[in-house]
Amino acid sequence: DQQVKQNSPSLSVQEGRISILNCDYTNSMFDYFLWYKKYPAEGPTFLISISSIKDKNEDGRFTVFLNKSAKHLSLHIVPSQPGDSAVYFCAVREDKIIFGKGTRLHILP
Amino acid sequence: GAGVSQSPSNKVTEKGKDVELRCDPISGHTALYWYRQSLGQGLEFLIYFQGNSAPDKSGLPSDRFSAERTGGSVSTLTIQRTQQEDSAVYLCASSFGGRTYEQYFGPGTRLTVT
Repeated sequence: DQQVKQNSPSLSVQEGRISILNCDYTNSMFDYFLWYKKYPAEGPTFLISISSIKDKNEDGRFTVFLNKSAKHLSLHIVPSQPGDSAVYFCAVREDKIIFGKGTRLHILP
Repeated sequence: GAGVSQSPSNKVTEKGKDVELRCDPISGHTALYWYRQSLGQGLEFLIYFQGNSAPDKSGLPSDRFSAERTGGSVSTLTIQRTQQEDSAVYLCASSFGGRTYEQYFGPGTRLTVT
């Protein structure tokens, strides 16, 4: 059974608007969460992370929110730019990283 | 500096043949990971090496899969008697240490079994 779930396989957002990518997890003991971005033919690159002791972490246009009671996290990108078009993976880190299936984000001109 | 490199970038093989995939981690990184991404699937953990410790092989899908890491650096993932379901992108990552350090991914090897 999936421990990290990204229920939206794809998302289209107008350039300049906010992109919101969602992720749910099953294990309340998870304590470190990450978002990775992946372009075609490249490996995933780390984007932003959050520890379970926080409920928000912000880095420029990217903000990750963590709702521990709901076991839910989200990535907000604002304003969205064409270069943000990629696949975004939600993940939790133990010794290994457990990834979701990813959400493909399309930024529309 | 140089990132994680993987070779070959693409590999097409016939069902039943053995394949070897190579990963060169970032110099100085003690931890090395193999993942794979099958069509429509997320990134699936396969195996983890940390220093001189016994590797965590818990993600290997069958005994046809094995990996080794020579001299604490380069790693080879071997798939014996390949099957069509082995077709995937195989990704390698390395980090300075275990769970508290960021993992840096290579570009992957796309394996196609015909």
